[in-house]
Amino acid sequence: DAGVTQSPTHLIKTRGQQVTLRCSPKSGHDTVSWYQQALGQGPQFIFQYYEEEERQRGNFPDRFSGHQFPNYSSELNVNALLLGDSALYLCASSFLKLLTDTQYFGPGTRLTVL
Amino acid sequence: QKEVEQDPGPLSVPEGAIVSLNCTYSNSAFQYFMWYRQYSRKGPELLMYTYSSGNKEDGRFTAQVDKSSKYISLFIRDSQPSDSATYLCAMSHNQGGKLIFGQGTELSVKP
Repeated sequence: DAGVTQSPTHLIKTRGQQVTLRCSPKSGHDTVSWYQQALGQGPQFIFQYYEEEERQRGNFPDRFSGHQFPNYSSELNVNALLLGDSALYLCASSFLKLLTDTQYFGPGTRLTVL
Repeated sequence: QKEVEQDPGPLSVPEGAIVSLNCTYSNSAFQYFMWYRQYSRKGPELLMYTYSSGNKEDGRFTAQVDKSSKYISLFIRDSQPSDSATYLCAMSHNQGGKLIFGQGTELSVKP
């Protein structure tokens, strides 16, 4: 049973560029959440997708957008990259209808903005 | 003030020691409490999950939640060098909702 997978593993971009990160949830999961983890900090919630809709959003600017596909996989898009966007981007999946609220994380995509 | 406070450490202990990791929080609406372990350059791995107050034990790990004090703890018994990692507490107030994380505590277990 494959866990949460993310691609690419690493990415280097320059300021002003746009980036797309991808996530495939754990088998049987229907909800995908995205987090940003700066070095030495805990992950910060960006947004969550369920049934192809954005269900909840954290305090991130509109430059951060996402999408969920019918197969539950998801993309995170960041436009007009800033140096401060350099971080580990984590995807987590869960099964919303399950009473226990557990989110399982992927290995992350490390984004470096130069 | 952050919603979740966690001492970043680093915390260094000898092999076999009992480790105590803690978080405090300010939002009394939190009902779901988790501990994750994160090895360097890896994604967080779920260790313990607790709903509301009480204790939960799993092998060498025990999680405690005291909602009256807004305080959660993770105890690791007979610590091993392989336990060396960053431990993140996380919590949420609704089922399936966003997780609010602490900063993480870096733990080093010396042989």
